[in-house]
Amino acid sequence: AQSVTQPDIHITVSEGASLELRCNYSYGATPYLFWYVQSPGQGLQLLLKYFSGDTLVQGIKGFEAEFKRSQSSFNLRKPSVHWSDAAEYFCAVQEFNAGGTSYGKLTFGQGTILTVHP
Amino acid sequence: GAGVSQSPSNKVTEKGKDVELRCDPISGHTALYWYRQSLGQGLEFLIYFQGNSAPDKSGLPSDRFSAERTGGSVSTLTIQRTQQEDSAVYLCASSLVGQGLYEQYFGPGTRLTVT
Repeated sequence: AQSVTQPDIHITVSEGASLELRCNYSYGATPYLFWYVQSPGQGLQLLLKYFSGDTLVQGIKGFEAEFKRSQSSFNLRKPSVHWSDAAEYFCAVQEFNAGGTSYGKLTFGQGTILTVHP
Repeated sequence: GAGVSQSPSNKVTEKGKDVELRCDPISGHTALYWYRQSLGQGLEFLIYFQGNSAPDKSGLPSDRFSAERTGGSVSTLTIQRTQQEDSAVYLCASSLVGQGLYEQYFGPGTRLTVT
């Protein structure tokens, strides 16, 4: 079964600093990978996704992520963090059944809480 | 346009009572998912609907949990004889079709507290 690990439970950065949130996955084939953000009291919002092709993907709000097969990683980055980026971030992998098809079921990591200091 | 809505936003119930949680997906979305978010278990898949049928119920934690979807639209998640470990935020998501290439749009969730 697929699994996702986010090693950092909580990260604190200063506004304007760069950010990298780590995500490692376990899956035999090429995974479909996602990053979601959840603000307090809100649902999840998709930041970006990777299916195939260019390993550096751009998302909304200035975020990007890089797929590295050799490291089984899909880390999320932002060059300069804004106070409004404070939220919880989830990495997810899409599950495929034994027949190789998928209907979109997601397996999530435990999440990383981002705190931004002014 | 309108997003995914869920009701109630908060529900407090006594142990042993039944509860119903409602999800209104985005109009025209054929796929609907229920997830549960709890402190101990993180975000977990519960059930997937394509239209009114549920091809995958593998995430339902016990037979106290059931869900239905009617008219290819509204879905209700029912928890019978609630237990304290059922306390969590229940999230609903919908997508145009049940394929991974299509984005899942999440509702704000229902926070369930079992006392």
